[in-house]
Amino acid sequence: GESVGLHLPTLSVQEGDNSIINCAYSNSASDYFIWYKQESGKGPQFIIDIRSNMDKRQGQRVTVLLNKTVKHLSLQIAATQPGDSAVYFCADYPRGSGAGSYQLTFGKGTKLSVIP
Amino acid sequence: GAGVSQSPRYKVAKRGQDVALRCDPISGHVSLFWYQQALGQGPEFLTYFQNEAQLDKSGLPSDRFFAERPEGSVSTLKIQRTQQEDSAVYLCASSLAPDYGYTFGSGTRLTVV
Repeated sequence: GESVGLHLPTLSVQEGDNSIINCAYSNSASDYFIWYKQESGKGPQFIIDIRSNMDKRQGQRVTVLLNKTVKHLSLQIAATQPGDSAVYFCADYPRGSGAGSYQLTFGKGTKLSVIP
Repeated sequence: GAGVSQSPRYKVAKRGQDVALRCDPISGHVSLFWYQQALGQGPEFLTYFQNEAQLDKSGLPSDRFFAERPEGSVSTLKIQRTQQEDSAVYLCASSLAPDYGYTFGSGTRLTVV
């Protein structure tokens, strides 16, 4: 079936550097995408979202880029800090499923490790 | 409370035992979701409630899994005759509306031995 997936399972970056986490999706009907951060022992925490009518959205230290042509999503974290160490998931909301539900489809995640 | 509360945080069950996992959503949140997260994987959808109505249960892996939300607030996920493959973290999330941002709880880690 169609799914959301991630290119890299692990990423190590030096504190202060920028991080880029990538995600590929396959569902052409997807029109809403969310990045989540999950720390050990906790549930996923919303970071930033983007709708398919946009190609870029910025938050505090984070930017999400969406390339619908190649079905690619990325999360950029500026000036990465030790507190950014976590697993990052992209998730996809396929609108118009017709099932009356709003299922998020998650990828497997990328583990970000920040080196002090 | 301020967030989604799940209990228990950890549950160890013997194979064949029935378990019940509780979710207290954020007050006033209409939508409630259950997800299953296997070790090293992303969460996978189980079921969705809008108020007390279970609108989608397509993700429940078998008829051993049952969820309810009788008064449109607290929800319980029940797993009958647990199997080892049921071992996972069970996450609950709630939102103001179906296509609004979710808030996840910290989950219940179920280990079936």
